Amino acid sequence: SAVISQKPSRDICQRGTSLTIQCQVDSQVTMMFWYRQQPGQSLTLIATANQGSEATYESGFVIDKFPISRPNLTFSTLTVSNMSPEDSSIYLCSVVSGSLYNEQFFGPGTRLTVL
Amino acid sequence: AQTVTQSQPEMSVQEAETVTLSCTYDTSESDYYLFWYKQPPSRQMILVIRQEAYKQQNATENRFSVNFQKAAKSFSLKISDSQLGDAAMYFCAYRDPGGGADGLTFGKGTHLIIQP
Repeated sequence: SAVISQKPSRDICQRGTSLTIQCQVDSQVTMMFWYRQQPGQSLTLIATANQGSEATYESGFVIDKFPISRPNLTFSTLTVSNMSPEDSSIYLCSVVSGSLYNEQFFGPGTRLTVL
Repeated sequence: AQTVTQSQPEMSVQEAETVTLSCTYDTSESDYYLFWYKQPPSRQMILVIRQEAYKQQNATENRFSVNFQKAAKSFSLKISDSQLGDAAMYFCAYRDPGGGADGLTFGKGTHLIIQP
């Protein structure tokens, strides 16, 4: 299985500022994903982070608000821009691993609170 | 779009007993993957069990097993000999086969309480 780390683990930010979350994997992976989990809710896919090309965003999420970088096969960043209290959530990085692409693992998450 | 439904917001079971969590899904695909994830208060998402739709045999991992009914689009999780450490949110998830290129679609989750 892949070991995934995220930084920071939590942060409290002011309205209007931006925060960049880092995701590091201990092995090369093709697919990396970013999810959001709002308080008391399930997980929602934000985007797929593609290495060497722009991220693919799900409906309701836009690049200007959630820019993503994927400079190599072990690292990605998600930026939450111009934050508002509605952005308070847990943000999780996830990767697909396994020889049959049938295993998907998650990082420990970043708990973001926007005041 | 695929949807995943977990109709039990909360379930409670006595320690050492068996509990079944329900999940149904909607898809037009014939091949796909299904997962159950556990999320304890630490918020770490832990993969409990997975099922490939092309496999007729139900997946089993120690005390965890699934009842996969493809025609009914049902994917329930059975936890046997429940332990206090099983207390958590459980999420059912679906993924298209797409070589791993597709993200997961999650249900709303079931909060499992273990009574000592």
